[in-house]
Amino acid sequence: KNEVEQSPQNLTAQEGEFITINCSYSVGISALHWLQQHPGGGIVSLFMLSSGKKKHGRLIATINIQEKHSSLHITASHPRDSAVYICAPHTGNQFYFGTGTSLTVIP
Amino acid sequence: ETGVTQTPRHLVMGMTNKKSLKCEQHLGHNAMYWYKQSAKKPLELMFVYNFKEQTENNSVPSRFSPECPNSSHLFLHLHTLQPEDSALYLCASSQGQGDNSPLHFGNGTRLTVT
Repeated sequence: KNEVEQSPQNLTAQEGEFITINCSYSVGISALHWLQQHPGGGIVSLFMLSSGKKKHGRLIATINIQEKHSSLHITASHPRDSAVYICAPHTGNQFYFGTGTSLTVIP
Repeated sequence: ETGVTQTPRHLVMGMTNKKSLKCEQHLGHNAMYWYKQSAKKPLELMFVYNFKEQTENNSVPSRFSPECPNSSHLFLHLHTLQPEDSALYLCASSQGQGDNSPLHFGNGTRLTVT
């Protein structure tokens, strides 16, 4: 059983829609990454957070450490947001990875 | 430009070949990582180097052999691979292992073993 569960696994949205991707984890952590992977394979770190909420442009990430849950929100989604989004909680020594949520935004 | 560069981007090799993957980072980081990503599976940690010393070997078969000559360069030497080793191999770096710093990934090498 994976220590990290993401939902949904696949998501298709119309351009402009508000999108939420959820992540639940079972391990004790010190922080959590949200990663974005485009079809070419490269991975970019969107956020690292250990409490509360962070916002970067149209992206918002929240975390509830007590409930072991994090969410990634995308406002006014755009086709260029189409990618796989990976939740990666970690302690200082170890990263855990979800299988990712594949997002397709249709024009 | 991610700051972490991997070469080659694509590699096709036979089971009897020997090849190497290269990773280079110019971020001043002290920790470097090799990850394997297979279809529909989470990223799997293979090796970690911290200040050029290998600190983790995650039960990886000996047909994968890492080398870290300095803090900026990391290699993964491949020999007598199996078709099930076909995957995306990702290199990452961080400021230091264990200090809660974010990972910076390269674009990966797409490996196909025939």
